[in-house]
Amino acid sequence: DGGITQSPKYLFRKEGQNVTLSCEQNLNHDAMYWYRQDPGQGLRLIYYSQIVNDFQKGDIAEGYSVSREKKESFPLTVTSAQKNPTAFYLCASSIYGGIHNEQFFGPGTRLTVL
Amino acid sequence: DQQVKQNSPSLSVQEGRISILNCDYTNSMFDYFLWYKKYPAEGPTFLISISSIKDKNEDGRFTVFLNKSAKHLSLHIVPSQPGDSAVYFCAASGTYKYIFGTGTRLKVLA
Repeated sequence: DGGITQSPKYLFRKEGQNVTLSCEQNLNHDAMYWYRQDPGQGLRLIYYSQIVNDFQKGDIAEGYSVSREKKESFPLTVTSAQKNPTAFYLCASSIYGGIHNEQFFGPGTRLTVL
Repeated sequence: DQQVKQNSPSLSVQEGRISILNCDYTNSMFDYFLWYKKYPAEGPTFLISISSIKDKNEDGRFTVFLNKSAKHLSLHIVPSQPGDSAVYFCAASGTYKYIFGTGTRLKVLA
């Protein structure tokens, strides 16, 4: 089955620690995205990558970092510099970057900072 | 500044009736719009899209209407079913990224 997987589903972190969220897709999509969802808000773009070895900041990139060394993988690191990291994180992919492409989402990771 | 707005946080509809979810946008450069459906603790799933060159797009029970002059789009679900109960997000794009609304929680009552 083709799709996007995110792990873990729930993640707890102590304040001051970095944590990495996994995102893998086997859809052969070029573009991948990371969003954050907070209660009462829409999805906000953190980072996106239109092709391997290239990525761009989204609207709320501060305190986050990414890498795109492989087409199928786009891990997100939440660093200690992120002031309010507790949220639901969603990874998505599309067949190629740019507009007019549906994005397919993974199941999400809920991160809680203790 | 919220460029994509869903002003109704929740909506309740009787099974079998029509559900109408609304979305307003402010940026006239947006030219492609999508609706996503999301269940709790899951990722959104794509429902239907519309390009700005159209004013209507249908897919089964789902129809999206676009009124460019009013910068307004709506999603109609007919007939509504209990399994349609979820949060619905509209999204708009004019460049490399989508701007999502805050979502409307639809509850279909049996």
